[in-house]
Order: sequence, then structure tokens, then C-alpha cells
Amino acid sequence: SQQGEEDPQALSIQEGENATMNCSYKTSINNLQWYRQNSGRGLVHLILIRSNEREKHSGRLRVTLDTSKKSSSLLITASRAADTASYFCATAPLGGGGADGLTFGKGTHLIIQP
Amino acid sequence: EAGVAQSPRYKIIEKRQSVAFWCNPISGHATLYWYQQILGQGPKLLIQFQNNGVVDDSQLPKDRFSAERLKGVDSTLKIQPAKLEDSAVYLCASSLGRGPPGTQYFGPGTRLTVL
Repeated sequence: SQQGEEDPQALSIQEGENATMNCSYKTSINNLQWYRQNSGRGLVHLILIRSNEREKHSGRLRVTLDTSKKSSSLLITASRAADTASYFCATAPLGGGGADGLTFGKGTHLIIQP
Repeated sequence: EAGVAQSPRYKIIEKRQSVAFWCNPISGHATLYWYQQILGQGPKLLIQFQNNGVVDDSQLPKDRFSAERLKGVDSTLKIQPAKLEDSAVYLCASSLGRGPPGTQYFGPGTRLTVL
């Protein structure tokens, strides 16, 4: 079953603008991860934020996590055409005795217009 | 460093036939996962191995799906018999498998079409 939902389902912006996408989840988590998927390269890991962290940066990416609201956001600054892809949030469960398979949302499809 | 390898990349079969997918994880990664991704959805975990033991197969349709990782390295996922709703991309991923849950590295996937 899907853990939660990304919002929006689709987003189209101009190159150079910032893109923000949100993710909600339902259960307690160990960490939350964001992945990018495009037709050419499959699923690529972008960033991991642990449940005791509130914000994390990696290059042009900024992720926030609010465990009280069970939500996260991914900000991509100064977007480029190459950022066109689907973006998924995925949660790793808390506890579980070693079972740490990810639960993914349905994704946000981002299109960067040149 | 070589990534996760999967084969075949594409497979077309008719319903009720059987099919097998192969995965070779990143060298040294103890944990291996199989995910199913139906078009328009996010991946869904099917099974997780730690070395050659099953950690979680709660979402694996065991009446038709089976998986093994006999020597703790390569893994095979089999569907027998296939149904139309099994059309999807099957993704293999691996992780170090030590300490808290970490990054998973995904292979390119096998796109299965069941006619």
C-alpha cells in the first residue's frame, strides 16, 4: 500500500524558477528519502533526512521534515531542463526488526519549460 | 563502482506463462529488495533479503510469485503463472544492510508486459 501522497501530482515551471513539492505520510518513520526517476536513468537517490532532523541541504536541493504533521517538502532551486522527471518521497519504517523496505508515494511529475 | 545490474531489461509474455528476473546487487551490499512499479504509481516492496534470508515478504503474492537469494549475492524473482495485472516494472535495489535504514540503490528495472 502507498504510504502517502505527493502534492502536486504534476508541476510545470519555467527554467530558472524554484520548484516545491510536498509529501505526506501516515506512520512513524526512521527516515524519509527523496528519489528522482526519469525514463533514461531509473530511480536515483537524492537525499535522506532522519526523523530527528528538520532540514537538510544538498546542492540545489532543500528538504524539510515535520514529524508532528507527518509531512516533508522538497525544494529545487534554479531549476534546469535536466530536472524534468518524477520525484518520489519514500519512508523507512521505525523499528521493524530489520525490515526497512521503503514505502513510496505516487510521485510528482515535474516539467521544466526552457 | 558498478551499480545494481538487472536482466532482462524488457520481457513480453502471454498470461499464464512463467517469467524470471535476475538481479546482481552492488558488491558488499548485504540487503537486497525487489519492488514492483505499476505505471503511474510509486514502487511497492515485494520482498527484502538480508544476506540469503528473507526479512519481509508480507506483500509478495506467494501464490504466484517466488524469490530466492541462494548464496547471498544474486537474486531471482519468478512469476508463475503471470496475470495481466502483473504488467509493471520490476526494480531491484540493494543497501549496505548495516546500522539504521539507509540509502537504497536501484537497478534499471525489468519492464514486463503480460498480453
